[in-house]
Amino acid sequence: DQQVKQNSPSLSVQEGRISILNCDYTNSMFDYFLWYKKYPAEGPTFLISISSIKDKNEDGRFTVFLNKSAKHLSLHIVPSQPGDSAVYFCAASAPLNRDDKIIFGKGTRLHILP
Amino acid sequence: KAGVTQTPRYLIKTRGQQVTLSCSPISGHRSVSWYQQTPGQGLQFLFEYFSETQRNKGNFPGRFSGRQFSNSRSEMNVSTLELGDSALYLCASSPQGHRDPSLYFGPGTRLLVL
Repeated sequence: DQQVKQNSPSLSVQEGRISILNCDYTNSMFDYFLWYKKYPAEGPTFLISISSIKDKNEDGRFTVFLNKSAKHLSLHIVPSQPGDSAVYFCAASAPLNRDDKIIFGKGTRLHILP
Repeated sequence: KAGVTQTPRYLIKTRGQQVTLSCSPISGHRSVSWYQQTPGQGLQFLFEYFSETQRNKGNFPGRFSGRQFSNSRSEMNVSTLELGDSALYLCASSPQGHRDPSLYFGPGTRLLVL
């Protein structure tokens, strides 16, 4: 049972345009969501997070939107740059004392085209 | 500050063998988590250790085990290796736990089981 789903295995976006990566989750107990970025031969690095009490969190070119009713979150990258080409993992976790571990999606490979 | 280090970086084993992977967290970090990354399943949580105690465990068989030492270094052991155990094994450390947004991953150990 996949609790965190990234339905697009890959995405290609023109440099300078907006990249939108989507993530759906099934567990309504999740209250904290994260995005990680991974380059080949490196471990994932934390990008941005959002708590369920918010619906938007922005950090520079990166914005995460959370729609709790739809159990959906998205990561927007504006403008997209060549260095953004990587695999992006969506992750979620439930509160302490409730199966407290981070669940990752399968990842979306983002290609930024010149 | 030195990052999370994992040894070895690459490993080839045959079915039935056992393997031990090592992870040295960032100095001062007390939590170490282990993840398995495969192309089809993304990042799957194995277990988390905090102050030498296993605090959380994922849905992996008992062949997968781990431990943490007093200096926070952690080891993961897989016994009776199967072909399906071929994967990238990632270790991540954080000061308090994996809900801490500052979850730092190592580069991983790529295990190939023949």
